[in-house]
Amino acid sequence: DAGVTQSPTHLIKTRGQQVTLRCSPISGHKSVSWYQQVLGQGPQFIFQYYEKEERGRGNFPDRFSARQFPNYSSELNVNALLLGDSALYLCASSADRGRGNIQYFGAGTRLSVL
Amino acid sequence: AQTVTQSQPEMSVQEAETVTLSCTYDTSESNYYLFWYKQPPSRQMILVIRQEAYKQQNATENRFSVNFQKAAKSFSLKISDSQLGDTAMYFCAFTLTGANNLFFGTGTRLTVIP
Repeated sequence: DAGVTQSPTHLIKTRGQQVTLRCSPISGHKSVSWYQQVLGQGPQFIFQYYEKEERGRGNFPDRFSARQFPNYSSELNVNALLLGDSALYLCASSADRGRGNIQYFGAGTRLSVL
Repeated sequence: AQTVTQSQPEMSVQEAETVTLSCTYDTSESNYYLFWYKQPPSRQMILVIRQEAYKQQNATENRFSVNFQKAAKSFSLKISDSQLGDTAMYFCAFTLTGANNLFFGTGTRLTVIP
């Protein structure tokens, strides 16, 4: 079975541009979460979506938005890119939400903002 | 607020030896889950082991085991018979029951020396 897949694997943008990252969860998983991992740090939670609704949001500005589609895939959008948005963006899926459900991660999208 | 602290930025171990990675966390809640994730150079975060806070018995998965001390808010990972493939960043993570966002530590870079 396919794991969590993310696209693209690497992206280069300039300041002020907009970017869309994509994630396909493991088949049957209804929850998708997004994390930002800055070089040398642990991942930080951005969003969680479950059954197409936002169920949690981390401490990120409104430039960050996301959505989940009927097939449970998800997109993360970042507007007005800043140099500080350069990071590895990880998507994780889980079968359910809460109760310590195991989150399975994709290989991430490396975003470089110049 | 929930925090996770990993005080060992880097560690090394000889192949076939045993190594212990440290993690402490802080929360006022009593129901939560703890995880160790491994992130090799391929970037994909892989679950190593999971511990439910209400269970006193320490979790084990083959060569990996934890020492969970709830009162001390400590959750260390022991890797026995270290293998070259264990070389990776190891992250300690925490989530509350009912939530789905993981709080990560800053990681420990483990190198297994042949």
